[in-house]
Amino acid sequence: GAGVSQSPSNKVTEKGKDVELRCDPISGHTALYWYRQRLGQGLEFLIYFQGNSAPDKSGLPSDRFSAERTGESVSTLTIQRTQQEDSAVYLCASSPGPGNTIYFGEGSWLTVV
Amino acid sequence: DQQVKQNSPSLSVQEGRISILNCDYTNSMFDYFLWYKKYPAEGPTFLISISSIKDKNEDGRFTVFLNKSAKHLSLHIVPSQPGDSAVYFCAASALSGNTPLVFGKGTRLSVIA
Repeated sequence: GAGVSQSPSNKVTEKGKDVELRCDPISGHTALYWYRQRLGQGLEFLIYFQGNSAPDKSGLPSDRFSAERTGESVSTLTIQRTQQEDSAVYLCASSPGPGNTIYFGEGSWLTVV
Repeated sequence: DQQVKQNSPSLSVQEGRISILNCDYTNSMFDYFLWYKKYPAEGPTFLISISSIKDKNEDGRFTVFLNKSAKHLSLHIVPSQPGDSAVYFCAASALSGNTPLVFGKGTRLSVIA
């Protein structure tokens, strides 16, 4: 597609359940990012993939969070044993390379009840 | 430890007047700066960028100014329009390094008709 695509767009889950969020980056973009924005907060960096380099996981808030990327395409962000504080919009972005302008998807809105 | 700071959480401006959004950074390695605009329930969209070799970049009604010695940048919107009402995020990166963009917490701009 023309832009970054994320799914699901909205997800309501019960506390303690696992969720998977998917991101399809712009074709040809080697860099892929996950950010999240909780209510009233700024954009919080989670994880960054660049080509075949080891991902930068420095922003993951706990070991309940993990992400994978298949080559230079789809990425999945997994949150295990969700907590209410995980409620946020999870934003995926991609860019042609490191440090370039990044382009965001519409986000996946996660609500943990 | 915030590397990118937007100290004004909100700003209100009359239609037709100038909007000035400010951003400060602490990391002297940052050499590429961007502004993103975010409407509710949408992902952030890229607005304008500037590299450290310049002190000004203009695109239509939007101008970004960079003061490297003060580690400060600003976004000027003139004339402001009601459709400019959104949250504006400042972001920075070090192009020379393999690092993700670091975002500020955002400033909510309201343009009043």
